[in-house]
Parts: sequence; structure tokens; C-alpha cells
Amino acid sequence: GQQVMQIPQYQHVQEGEDFTTYCNSSTTLSNIQWYKQRPGGHPVFLIQLVKSGEVKKQKRLTFQFGEAKKNSSLHITATQTTDVGTYFCAGAEGYQKVTFGTGTKLQVIP
Amino acid sequence: NAGVTQTPKFQVLKTGQSMTLQCAQDMNHEYMSWYRQDPGMGLRLIHYSVGAGITDQGEVPNGYNVSRSTTEDFPLRLLSAAPSQTSVYFCASSYPGGVEAFFGQGTRLTVV
Repeated sequence: GQQVMQIPQYQHVQEGEDFTTYCNSSTTLSNIQWYKQRPGGHPVFLIQLVKSGEVKKQKRLTFQFGEAKKNSSLHITATQTTDVGTYFCAGAEGYQKVTFGTGTKLQVIP
Repeated sequence: NAGVTQTPKFQVLKTGQSMTLQCAQDMNHEYMSWYRQDPGMGLRLIHYSVGAGITDQGEVPNGYNVSRSTTEDFPLRLLSAAPSQTSVYFCASSYPGGVEAFFGQGTRLTVV
């Protein structure tokens, strides 16, 4: 079955440093989504990428979808303490099953 | 709008007991799913449904049953609880097509 892996599993950064998490799928995806989960909370949708090579920005967050639609990345510029949480990618196979990645837990040291 | 409502928020079960985790959404979403979250494992799909009367297995379905008699409700049944089922369970709903999913607040289940 489809597998979606994320690296790294954990990342500690100093406030103000950049952060990147990478997502890799074993199969070609129809689209990919990114979610953020604050400690003790539930995943909250950030963005969806659909097109090969697509790049989208949300303030300090930049999301990319690979040309082969099998990988994606999330880059945060100049991290802040409010960025703390676990970031998940989620890949859709066709238009039904959605598989979540293993997540990257981000800690920001003030 | 309530969004996705999960009950209960916390539950402790003894090994061998059965129970049902409730999930209801009021957004008329066709797609609903159940995930379990364990440390270092991310969110693993248990079962999902693309509409009333239609369910399918996800990655870790063993020990769990689901049904979808209405668009709004998607209960998850643990048939005979085992300590390996200790986890945080999330229900989610969305329109089909891998679009924005809305999650419930989660149920923290402990099996002793």
C-alpha cells in the first residue's frame, strides 16, 4: 500500500532560524495537503497542492510539490515560537484514500 | 457550526471490553475517516467511508469495525479492547478528493 514518509522526525531550531520538512510518497499522488498540530491539539489544515512543480506561500511558509508528484516540502523562514508543533503532509491516492505522513515535530528555542 | 464532534474525549477500558467511539459532522461531507495517532507513527488510517453505506479498510483495520448509515455519523467500534489499542483517535471529514479535512478534538483511549 501507499506509504508517506517525512524527514526529519524531530527538529530543534533557535528562534529566527529556518526550518524545512520533507515528505516522500511511495506512489504518485493526485494532490498533497499539509497540516499543523499544536501540542495537545488536533491537525489543522494549512494548504493543498495539486499541480506538478507547484509552489505556494503563506507568509513565512513555503510549500512545494515535486515534479513527479511523489514528494513535497514545507519551509518556514525565520521561525517563531508560535510555529511549535507537528507538521504532517497527507497524500491523496486518486480521490479516495488519504494517507498521512509520519510527521515532523518542531521545537523552537526562544 | 459544530464541525466534527467526537465523544468521549477520554476513556479507560479493561482488556476485552468493547466500546464505540462516536463521530458526527454537520458539514454534509461525504468523506469520513478514522485515524489513530501513536508517538513516532504519525496518523494511521483505520477505516474510511466515501458516503453513506460505503466503508473501506485503511492501513490498520484489525480490531475495529465501522458503519456509515447516515452522512453525518461514522462510529468506530472496538470489538474486544487490547492494550495495543491504547492511542489517541481522531475522526475527520471532508469533501472527496483529498481536500481540506476537518478533524474532531480526539479521543484519548487507554486500555489496561
